[in-house]
Amino acid sequence: AQKVTQAQTEISVVEKEDVTLDCVYETRDTTYYLFWYKQPPSGELVFLIRRNSFDEQNEISGRYSWNFQKSTSSFNFTITASQVVDSAVYFCALSDPYGGSQGNLIFGKGTKLSVKP
Amino acid sequence: GAVVSQHPSWVICKSGTSVKIECRSLDFQATTMFWYRQFPKQSLMLMATSNEGSKATYEQGVEKDKFLINHASLTLSTLTVTSAHPEDSSFYICSASRVNYGYTFGSGTRLTVV
Repeated sequence: AQKVTQAQTEISVVEKEDVTLDCVYETRDTTYYLFWYKQPPSGELVFLIRRNSFDEQNEISGRYSWNFQKSTSSFNFTITASQVVDSAVYFCALSDPYGGSQGNLIFGKGTKLSVKP
Repeated sequence: GAVVSQHPSWVICKSGTSVKIECRSLDFQATTMFWYRQFPKQSLMLMATSNEGSKATYEQGVEKDKFLINHASLTLSTLTVTSAHPEDSSFYICSASRVNYGYTFGSGTRLTVV
């Protein structure tokens, strides 16, 4: 069965601190996709990244970076020099081999990040 | 980029009435649409999956007669909450997908049943 675990329920940091959000997944598929979404208080889901299981290169996008390690089934997300606007709930998600054309997303329970000024 | 429009953004209705939520893909044809429900401080839970022109597939525990899903075209899916009750109050969010395009989410609908 597919499962996504985000062990950190809530994290609070002070602005400019670095913070890492953990994500561990379980799947029997050899091909799959991993996602991170941001959900601000307004509710909409903001897409951050999609990564397929064959691409283990780490990715950096501005202050955001992702570390994908297949050996430990983890896909962690780091925000460098956090800002108040980063405050939101962050979801890690896993999809089937089709990356969205047929299967649905399995979401973790989310990590609420609070960045204080 | 792909855009999914969902409306209304919020709705308050009386207990016993029905509410329709629309999810429309604006610039692409969605192969599949998904409907999720999210209770406060909880994760998104899939309610049903629908493909254009066919009946929706509901997740276990979701009443198909209560949550009617219509996917009449490749760009429009609707969720109707029939005879709504206070326990149906929640945040409903749709997602549209197509091959190699991944998922695009609507902005969500906050339903309050009084």
